[in-house]
Amino acid sequence: DIQMTQSPSSLSASVGDRVTITCRASQSIGRYLSWYQQKPGNAPNLLIYTTSTLQSGVPSRFSGSGSGTDFTLTISSLQPEDFATYYCQQSYRSHTFGPGTKVDIK
Amino acid sequence: EVQLVESGGDLVQPGGSLRLSCAVSGLTFSSYWMSWVRQAPGKGLEWVANIKFDGSDKYYVESVKGRFTISRDNAASSLYLQMNSLRADDTALYYCARDRPGKEGFDYWGQGTLVTVSS
Repeated sequence: DIQMTQSPSSLSASVGDRVTITCRASQSIGRYLSWYQQKPGNAPNLLIYTTSTLQSGVPSRFSGSGSGTDFTLTISSLQPEDFATYYCQQSYRSHTFGPGTKVDIK
Repeated sequence: EVQLVESGGDLVQPGGSLRLSCAVSGLTFSSYWMSWVRQAPGKGLEWVANIKFDGSDKYYVESVKGRFTISRDNAASSLYLQMNSLRADDTALYYCARDRPGKEGFDYWGQGTLVTVSS
């Protein structure tokens, strides 16, 4: 089974900050990596798929990069509505989610 | 507008059974793989199972193999999850979600239905 890890598990940031979240797979997954945002009480929302493709309607301040085993989600300028938990997910072989990164207000 | 609406969640005793349903509208249901994803209270996301658009292929996370069965009725645009031999660690909010073609994640989600396994 492919295991996913994320770092950090949580972070505190201010509006306007640049935020980077890292996701690592236990083996190469090519570019089959997606990112989700989840706010309390809501279903997850797909932000990015195949590493770097922005889902329709997602603001351009979100970006993704990486390949193989190491991936990054970057929020270029954090907005108030971005405080949430972020999950990565591999779909190379079956599906596995990372444990999540909670982004809260500093 | 695409809508996925789950139902069937309930409080059930350990060892019991439950059948979840997901009614889908606003997309050509019979063209897509569909998944169940769960989230234990206060925890992260776990993919549970998925099913090919015609129902011919099904895959499960190891922890539910032999206990859960995913199925679909394309005529009714509905997805199902039959859950048997339920355990306390199956307690979670269960979401149905559409698999984007090409292994591109899950782009449509329902709001979830809560399954609680407790005596």
